[in-house]
Amino acid sequence: GQQLNQSPQSMFIQEGEDVSMNCTSSSIFNTWLWYKQDPGEGPVLLIALYKAGELTSNGRLTAQFGITRKDSFLNISASIPSDVGIYFCAGRRTPGSQGNLIFGKGTKLSVKP
Amino acid sequence: SQTIHQWPATLVQPVGSPLSLECTVEGTSNPNLYWYRQAAGRGLQLLFYSVGIGQISSEVPQNLSASRPQDRQFILSSKKLLLSDSGFYLCAWEGGRETQYFGPGTRLLVL
Repeated sequence: GQQLNQSPQSMFIQEGEDVSMNCTSSSIFNTWLWYKQDPGEGPVLLIALYKAGELTSNGRLTAQFGITRKDSFLNISASIPSDVGIYFCAGRRTPGSQGNLIFGKGTKLSVKP
Repeated sequence: SQTIHQWPATLVQPVGSPLSLECTVEGTSNPNLYWYRQAAGRGLQLLFYSVGIGQISSEVPQNLSASRPQDRQFILSSKKLLLSDSGFYLCAWEGGRETQYFGPGTRLLVL
């Protein structure tokens, strides 16, 4: 079935560092979404992207819709402890289709020991 | 504003027992609704979605079923739970511009 490859699978952050993660697919997507999930809670929508090349920010978070429409990137600047959690990308191939939101397996952010 | 509720928050059930999880949405009408299962804190698996009352689409054949008896109510059920049904169940509704918003989830442990 359709899959999104999300990387890295996990990473450790130190407060103040910038963080980057990405999501790639072999197919073209029309919508890219980025979510964050805290332990024991539902994912929360961070950023939505709709056009190739689109760059959107939400506070210290910036996400981009790749120009090939097969990838998306999320950057977190000057990370803080509350940034830890699991970040999911999600994409939809066909506009307006129901049930076709495909999720990556997540990038787990943890604090460096 | 729209809100989504799920209950119960946590459930421990014996193998072979029935299941009923409920999801309700407030502040919107005729939303598309979704049930996902998440195992071990990673990976969201779409189980069912609904575009209206009584309309259910199943993505994965399994021991579960879904129903939508009212516009803003979505129920996940099972007649006999299996150990493999354990997981974190998430309900979501579709907002504008193809975004999905998730509820707080129900943690199910089948023993």
